[in-house]
Amino acid sequence: EAGVTQFPSHSVIEKGQTVTLRCDPISGHDNLYWYRRVMGKEIKFLLHFVKESKQDESGMPNNRFLAERTGGTYSTLKVQPAELEDSGVYFCASSPRDLVATQYFGPGTRLLVL
Amino acid sequence: KNEVEQSPQNLTAQEGEFITINCSYSVGISALHWLQQHPGGGIVSLFMLSSGKKKHGRLIATINIQEKHSSLHITASHPRDSAVYICAVTRAGNQFYFGTGTSLTVIP
Repeated sequence: EAGVTQFPSHSVIEKGQTVTLRCDPISGHDNLYWYRRVMGKEIKFLLHFVKESKQDESGMPNNRFLAERTGGTYSTLKVQPAELEDSGVYFCASSPRDLVATQYFGPGTRLLVL
Repeated sequence: KNEVEQSPQNLTAQEGEFITINCSYSVGISALHWLQQHPGGGIVSLFMLSSGKKKHGRLIATINIQEKHSSLHITASHPRDSAVYICAVTRAGNQFYFGTGTSLTVIP
């Protein structure tokens, strides 16, 4: 069974540009989470989808971040316009509907905003 | 202040040593997780605990709910155990709250 995949693995962009990160959860997993680790800090929660609905987006830092999960399969996280402080590693995780506490993580996308 | 605190932040050990990493949390939780991330690698779940103790190979995880404290032990450490070990808790909303991680280096 394929694990959680994320694309791209790395992205280097200039301040003011737009970047879109993609997460493909494990097939059949209803729950999808986005997390972020910025330099030197702990990983922090961004938001949680149940299928295509946003269950909790309390961790989204501001309105420059937009997450979607059309059709309840893969998810995208768009940053527009990117700022320097958005640099970090963005992780995606998924879990089955009935096992919400067991999350399977993707390898992360390393974003550098110059 | 982070809701999940880990210690130590960095740890260097000789191969074969017994290693302990500690985690304290300040809120009510539904479960505590120990995660592992090898350099350049993804995050892997090692344990999920809500009480007591779990063992998997050379790894042992314990939790004391009353004291809001958990420990991860590695017996007979090996260089391949070198990784970042992260403590995280889940609450009612099921998202993780992470500690800052402990970077472990095991020297041959």
